Amino acid sequence: EDKVVQSPLSLVVHEGDTVTLNCSYEVTNFRSLLWYKQEKKAPTFLFMLTSSGIEKKSGRLSSILDKKELFSILNITATQTGDSAVYLCAPLHGSGNTGKLIFGQGTTLQVKP
Amino acid sequence: NAGVTQTPKFQVLKTGQSMTLQCAQDMNHNSMYWYRQDPGMGLRLIYYSASEGTTDKGEVPNGYNVSRLNKREFSLRLESAAPSQTSVYFCASSEEVSQYFGPGTRLTVT
Repeated sequence: EDKVVQSPLSLVVHEGDTVTLNCSYEVTNFRSLLWYKQEKKAPTFLFMLTSSGIEKKSGRLSSILDKKELFSILNITATQTGDSAVYLCAPLHGSGNTGKLIFGQGTTLQVKP
Repeated sequence: NAGVTQTPKFQVLKTGQSMTLQCAQDMNHNSMYWYRQDPGMGLRLIYYSASEGTTDKGEVPNGYNVSRLNKREFSLRLESAAPSQTSVYFCASSEEVSQYFGPGTRLTVT
């Protein structure tokens, strides 16, 4: 059975701290892994990782994928209160033009001033 | 560009009532999806449509039907609502990999 586990489930830090969010997965026909940020409404896309070991960066956020050990991490440096959100990890699996995402339960990050 | 739009934003139903959630996208995407999100859980796929005229079941299809009316629109129907269907429903669309989500519909079934 396909499975995605994120840890920790929740995290409270202060502004300026660095956080590491974890995602481990077991899915059939794995294609890529996506990270989303969900504030009050819809998830918004952060990263897509397809190859192992290549770090993707966007400002203070970065992410890396290990396809051998089946996990990914999302790092946020110098956290700000605007980083408070639920972070969702979602492996993409399946063949053909439409892949299906399987979402983890999310990590809720709260950044205090 | 509105992206992905959903109506209604909120809905309260009584057990046994039916309703249709509407979704439309203006990005000319081929694929569209319906998810539900329950407290403390990630999104779970209900149905998806790889292209106009095709639909397939996702992880939790029971109690739902869908219709891909045209390339833009993908609707989700609850024929006889149950309290277990109380949730937030998200529609999404994609062309290749990244999925773009609508703002969600919060549905309560009493």
